[in-house]
Amino acid sequence: QQPVQSPQAVILREGEDAVINCSSSKALYSVHWYRQKHGEAPVFLMILLKGGEQKGHEKISASFNEKKQQSSLYLTASQLSYSGTYFCGTIGAARQLTFGSGTQLTVLP
Amino acid sequence: EAEVAQSPRYKITEKSQAVAFWCDPISGHATLYWYRQILGQGPELLVQFQDESVVDDSQLPKDRFSAERLKGVDSTLKIQPAELGDSAMYLCASSLPDRGYNEQFFGPGTRLTVL
Repeated sequence: QQPVQSPQAVILREGEDAVINCSSSKALYSVHWYRQKHGEAPVFLMILLKGGEQKGHEKISASFNEKKQQSSLYLTASQLSYSGTYFCGTIGAARQLTFGSGTQLTVLP
Repeated sequence: EAEVAQSPRYKITEKSQAVAFWCDPISGHATLYWYRQILGQGPELLVQFQDESVVDDSQLPKDRFSAERLKGVDSTLKIQPAELGDSAMYLCASSLPDRGYNEQFFGPGTRLTVL
């Protein structure tokens, strides 16, 4: 079942912060975050595992609430290069990565 | 830096024709995935290989789609016959053996347009 992302789109100015949320109706083993720029392949940002372990980006942080089956991606002091569509992907018992429908982030100068 | 290679990058075909896409994963990556991404949506898994074996093809429309990874390295995804609704980006990704915590590296994709 596809995770739900919010918001669907966000526009902000350079230097502002943004939060993208991802929630699932099923128990999760891990949450993955990817960013995709127009016409390009998705690029890995971060993995959050059940139990609190994380792998990922230096300048981007995220949280994973296992009990609520929710994850949030925090983009602080946004740069123009942060623009793109952010996807969360969730892995449950079936061990299949299921992506959400994406959040389109636009950073303006 | 190692990358996932895909070809062709773009393919235009007429409905009822056959099309094939090729993927070469990062060397050493035992797990290979084929995804379909419709414009405005997230990637949807079609098939997952572990070496040469299919691990998951539950979302693959088997009446017209087939995938193989004969030697456990590169892979081919075929559609026969193509339908208008197959127009999408087809992404290949690879990773170290899948445990749910390895990042997937995506190739540039093949943009398929069915007329």
